[in-house]
Amino acid sequence: QQQVKQSPQSLIVQKGGISIINCAYENTAFDYFPWYQQFPGKGPALLIAIRPDVSEKKEGRFTISFNKSAKQFSLHIMDSQPGDSATYFCAASYTSASGTYKYIFGTGTRLKVLA
Amino acid sequence: DAGVIQSPRHEVTEMGQEVTLRCKPISGHNSLFWYRQTMMRGLELLIYFNNNVPIDDSGMPEDRFSAKMPNASFSTLKIQPSEPRDSAVYFCASSSRGQPNQPQHFGDGTRLSIL
Repeated sequence: QQQVKQSPQSLIVQKGGISIINCAYENTAFDYFPWYQQFPGKGPALLIAIRPDVSEKKEGRFTISFNKSAKQFSLHIMDSQPGDSATYFCAASYTSASGTYKYIFGTGTRLKVLA
Repeated sequence: DAGVIQSPRHEVTEMGQEVTLRCKPISGHNSLFWYRQTMMRGLELLIYFNNNVPIDDSGMPEDRFSAKMPNASFSTLKIQPSEPRDSAVYFCASSSRGQPNQPQHFGDGTRLSIL
């Protein structure tokens, strides 16, 4: 119930191509879905996020597509660049009755963009 | 602006020793999170503080793990006694206002190796 399933585990894309990472969840109480980007030796950093009342959000080359009925969301990286090579984590958050919240992270996707 | 500061960056110690990891959150942030990252289990939330008070410690794996936040600018995660299976990268993150739509800012982590 609390899991967020992420796929693929790793992804190799040519420069200029589209990278697509998918996540699925079960808990309908999740109400916020961020994506984090992590470079080697660094902590994850927020990339883009979406709420379930929106089906798509775009920021530059990064787009989140959200399918509430299917309980799935995905990250699309357009015109992928070698500098995008990193590990990407999806996450889902729910807020408890007491107002506290926490993120449940996916297992990560290691993206390599070939020059 | 200074980000989340963690120390040490690397720690190598022998099984059975006490390990203390330190974190200084971003000034003004009132939520602090400790995560553990491994290849097998990904990014796991260990404990979460709000206004220096532990809110959710359900992710703390065993009694050997303890965390404190004596003030708004400092937190520790202690493992005593340490075991080889505790080897991982430990991240601290902070966010403002305790709202899920506020990004969590991660430190660069402590890479812990227990021999």
